[in-house]
Amino acid sequence: QVRLQESGPRLVEPSQTLSLTCTVSGASISSGDFFWTWIRQHPGKGLEWIGSIYYTGVASYNPALKSRLIITLDTSKSQFSLKMTSVTAADTAVYFCASHYAVGNFRWVDPWGQGTLVTVSS
Amino acid sequence: QTVVTQEPSLTVSPGGTVTLTCASSTGAVTSDYYPNWFQQKPGQAPRSLIHNTSNKHSWTPARISGFLHGGKAALTLSGVQPEDEAEYYCLLYYGGAWVFGGGTKLTVL
Repeated sequence: QVRLQESGPRLVEPSQTLSLTCTVSGASISSGDFFWTWIRQHPGKGLEWIGSIYYTGVASYNPALKSRLIITLDTSKSQFSLKMTSVTAADTAVYFCASHYAVGNFRWVDPWGQGTLVTVSS
Repeated sequence: QTVVTQEPSLTVSPGGTVTLTCASSTGAVTSDYYPNWFQQKPGQAPRSLIHNTSNKHSWTPARISGFLHGGKAALTLSGVQPEDEAEYYCLLYYGGAWVFGGGTKLTVL
């Protein structure tokens, strides 16, 4: 059973870099069956796909956020990470990591981590 | 910028049937968009209900089904139960990037 857990600072100052890590258990992060994914949800709002990374290290990003994002993979720790630079209050959100299953023509996003609220404030 | 549109809110009576839709600003939704549907209850992470337009997971209630209709992805809940009250999101694929719909708040009343 795949499990994901987000970790990282809950409070980030404006203009600084938001850094989160997702620890994966129950599946190999080196598996070609998954894209490891970040999604966020602004308070009281809908979901926003941030980006994904494949076991090869190739990442894809939301075009609206791409210039501020880096998603990386650490296979030795079974973790993938998100860095978002130059944050503002508009980046305050619950950040989820998730496994995006992609084998053949099948695509689904499940399970998700529990999510972590990151607040951007001085 | 690609926009995926869902009904902001719908109300259904217990035991009733309701259909939620998911439209793309780029045109008709097809299976190539790998339509996915999620349910989210307050304070919880979303849970996948439907993938690849109409495929259910082992945990997806039989009363929930997904399909394409009129150029949109659609999700129908039949014999609605009180526990179906939740936010529902669709997710579409755009060649390397994914876009969520704005969500539909389903009220069972």
